[in-house]
Amino acid sequence: QVQLQESGPGLVKPSETLSLTCTVSGGSISNFYWTWIRQSPGKGLEWIGYFHYSGSTDYNPSLKSRVTMSVDTSKNQFSLRLTSVTAADTAVYYCVKVGEGGHFDRWGQGTLVTVSS
Amino acid sequence: DIVMTQSPDSLAVSLGERATINCKSSQSVLYSSNNKNYLAWYQQKPGQPPKLLIYWASTRESGVPDRFSGSGSETDFTLTISSLQAEDVAVYYCLQYHTIPRTFGQGTNVGVK
Repeated sequence: QVQLQESGPGLVKPSETLSLTCTVSGGSISNFYWTWIRQSPGKGLEWIGYFHYSGSTDYNPSLKSRVTMSVDTSKNQFSLRLTSVTAADTAVYYCVKVGEGGHFDRWGQGTLVTVSS
Repeated sequence: DIVMTQSPDSLAVSLGERATINCKSSQSVLYSSNNKNYLAWYQQKPGQPPKLLIYWASTRESGVPDRFSGSGSETDFTLTISSLQAEDVAVYYCLQYHTIPRTFGQGTNVGVK
């Protein structure tokens, strides 16, 4: 059973870069697509983008200019970078496995990131 | 973007009674090539991540109780809990995975009357 765990700073200053890592256990990162989703009280659940170990990505157009996703297959981890953050980026960030049909079938526990000086 | 609109925003149902949640998409999420609706339902309890209940609009995820069922096609979908249990108190979301960007409904809060 694939399990996911997010890690990274819980506090980021405005205008700086948010960086999170997702560690995958119970399965190879090479076998699936992965995605990041965030949840904030104001905007509900928001899809950030897809990632595949081959380098294929697809980002939400609303965030595309600030988002980068990458992978470290040796550690079975993938990462999210979001630049130039503002208070609007404060949210719980989830890393999620994508099922064969494209739905999101397994979620990490989530990590709260607060943007504040 | 495809806008997903759920109704109602909240509902209270007696234990053992039926709960019905609707989800309407601003565009069809049906792929005619495979006749599949790219619509999923999730349950989220406080402090937990969303849990997949239903995908392809009506396929129950492994381990999900059969009191949960999904129906609908193209733009109109329904999640039904046939007999509400105390452990079903949660917020429920629909998701369309037909088009980029993927989008969620705003959520429906289900409680006990």
